[in-house]
Amino acid sequence: DARVTQTPRHKVTEMGQEVTMRCQPILGHNTVFWYRQTMMQGLELLAYFRNRAPLDDSGMPKDRFSAEMPDATLATLKIQPSEPRDSAVYFCASGPPGTVTYEQYFGPGTRLTVT
Amino acid sequence: EDKVVQSPLSLVVHEGDTVTLNCSYEVTNFRSLLWYKQEKKAPTFLFMLTSSGIEKKSGRLSSILDKKELFSILNITATQTGDSAIYLCAVEAGSNYQLIWGAGTKLIIKP
Repeated sequence: DARVTQTPRHKVTEMGQEVTMRCQPILGHNTVFWYRQTMMQGLELLAYFRNRAPLDDSGMPKDRFSAEMPDATLATLKIQPSEPRDSAVYFCASGPPGTVTYEQYFGPGTRLTVT
Repeated sequence: EDKVVQSPLSLVVHEGDTVTLNCSYEVTNFRSLLWYKQEKKAPTFLFMLTSSGIEKKSGRLSSILDKKELFSILNITATQTGDSAIYLCAVEAGSNYQLIWGAGTKLIIKP
């Protein structure tokens, strides 16, 4: 069955290193969301794409985070340089066209640890 | 393969009714089960359950976990139109304790 995939599933890195997380949305979906989940903040929306164009990235720290969709089958979230406070689980979700924005299918997440 | 199944997939009730949403799971290395309410872009966290038989309650919402039968229920009493949303269940499990998400239950409350 179709599902959102994310890689890597787990990443440990040192402060200052670049981190790239990848997401493959469900085939045919045209909306992609990036979320960050921490115990303190819960689930935060970082960025939102429709038809590969960024519609809302107001939740993303602009100085170190960047999100892109090089093509319809790949979304990336990059952190450069990474900091310990970036440690969290990062979720990608995708949604089908023609539906309300909250019909999303979540990937398994990437657990990031920055030491 | 780890999986989380929610039922029903959608539900339409009238204001004032009580609803029960179900989440069953088959996973390895179970750690916790979480419920979210999604009505805008980002789901809102509701409950985290780790122990069997202990009810978590928040206003008209309550949830309980049964680790023997591998399921959880989310109850909403005296429903209101503002309860209309998709309710997501996720289980933290696996070797890396990733979240395995259910498909969600779409709840519609009619006035």
